[in-house]
Amino acid sequence: DGGITQSPKYLFRKEGQNVTLSCEQNLNHDAMYWYRQDPGQGLRLIYYSQIVNDFQKGDIAEGYSVSREKKESFPLTVTSAQKNPTAFYLCASSIVTESPYEQYFGPGTRLTVT
Amino acid sequence: GESVGLHLPTLSVQEGDNSIINCAYSNSASDYFIWYKQESGKGPQFIIDIRSNMDKRQGQRVTVLLNKTVKHLSLQIAATQPGDSAVYFCAEHAGGTSYGKLTFGQGTILTVHP
Repeated sequence: DGGITQSPKYLFRKEGQNVTLSCEQNLNHDAMYWYRQDPGQGLRLIYYSQIVNDFQKGDIAEGYSVSREKKESFPLTVTSAQKNPTAFYLCASSIVTESPYEQYFGPGTRLTVT
Repeated sequence: GESVGLHLPTLSVQEGDNSIINCAYSNSASDYFIWYKQESGKGPQFIIDIRSNMDKRQGQRVTVLLNKTVKHLSLQIAATQPGDSAVYFCAEHAGGTSYGKLTFGQGTILTVHP
């Protein structure tokens, strides 16, 4: 089955630790995205990548880092510099070259930092 | 600093009623729009999309209307069912060099009462 996988579904970390969230897709999509969602709020873009070895900051990139070494993978690292890391993190992918610009989402990772 | 939590708009309907969810978008150059449904604890799922050269598109039990004059998008759900209860997001794709990047609306909570 084609799709996007995120692991783990739930993640717990102590304050001050870096943590890496996994995102893998087998849809052969060029672009991948990371969003953050807080309770009762919409999606905010953290980082996105339109092609391997290239990525851009989104609206709330501070305290986060990414890499795009392979087309299939776009891991997100939440660093200790992120002041409020507890949130629901969503990864998505899309074809960018033409419409439709539908983004396909993974099931999400809920990160809790105490 | 701490972000202020926003209260999403809510819509409550009885099972069998028709639902209309509204969305105002910001960019007159947007060339593609999409509606997503997000159930609690899950990633958003595609419902229906529409290109800017159209003003109406119908799917199974859903219709999207686009009014470019007032930059307004609506999602109509016919014969709403309890399984339709979720948060609904609209998203727009800015034309030109956005290359797949979507801007998401705040979201609306739909609650369907049996």
